[in-house]
Amino acid sequence: DIQMTQSPSTLSASVGDRVTITCRASQSISSWLAWYQQKPGKAPKLLIYRASSLESGVPSRFSGSGSGTEFTLTISSQQPDDSATYYCQQYNNFPYTFGQGTKLEIK
Amino acid sequence: DVQLVESGGGLVRPGGSLRLSCAASGFTFSTAWMSWVRQAPGKGLEHVARIKSKNDGGTADYAAPVNGRFTISRDDSRNMLHLQMNSLKSEDTALYYCTTLCSGGGQCDFWGQGNLVTVSS
Repeated sequence: DIQMTQSPSTLSASVGDRVTITCRASQSISSWLAWYQQKPGKAPKLLIYRASSLESGVPSRFSGSGSGTEFTLTISSQQPDDSATYYCQQYNNFPYTFGQGTKLEIK
Repeated sequence: DVQLVESGGGLVRPGGSLRLSCAASGFTFSTAWMSWVRQAPGKGLEHVARIKSKNDGGTADYAAPVNGRFTISRDDSRNMLHLQMNSLKSEDTALYYCTTLCSGGGQCDFWGQGNLVTVSS
């Protein structure tokens, strides 16, 4: 299975801060990378697909970049509603493995 | 509105069996590849099983930890997805989500609310 490693595991930032989360794949996955947001007690929500494409309805402050094995999720100006856990996920090979998650808190 | 409603979870002893079901509505279930993703308490997400649409062969795939113990199936006439879980272990304790896991975008990524399975003596 492809291993996905995220950093950091937790992140505390103030409203308006620029936030960056990194994800690394154990082998090349081209651009078959998605980012999900999960809030407590809720199912995950797709934010970004194909590494950098914004899912419809997702605020434009979210962006993704990268290819191969290194990827980033950026929130340009963190808002209170962004407090959640973020997961990267590869969908190059079954099973579609997820990173361990990054918990984003408001400072 | 799209709905995925799971049922069948609960408490089961190690070695026991349980069958999860997922009722789908609001989208064309028969053409969707469907998956089960689980999340152990306080942990991350794990993709455990997937079944392709019948048009794409209808084949099933399983992650290593559940291979040989779990069986995913679909009933397109009833828009239902199932997960038969046998020889359950304590490490199978998790919230199980029924999902299209449509990670490639296109507003086709749908998830149920999750159904808790607890394996304990």
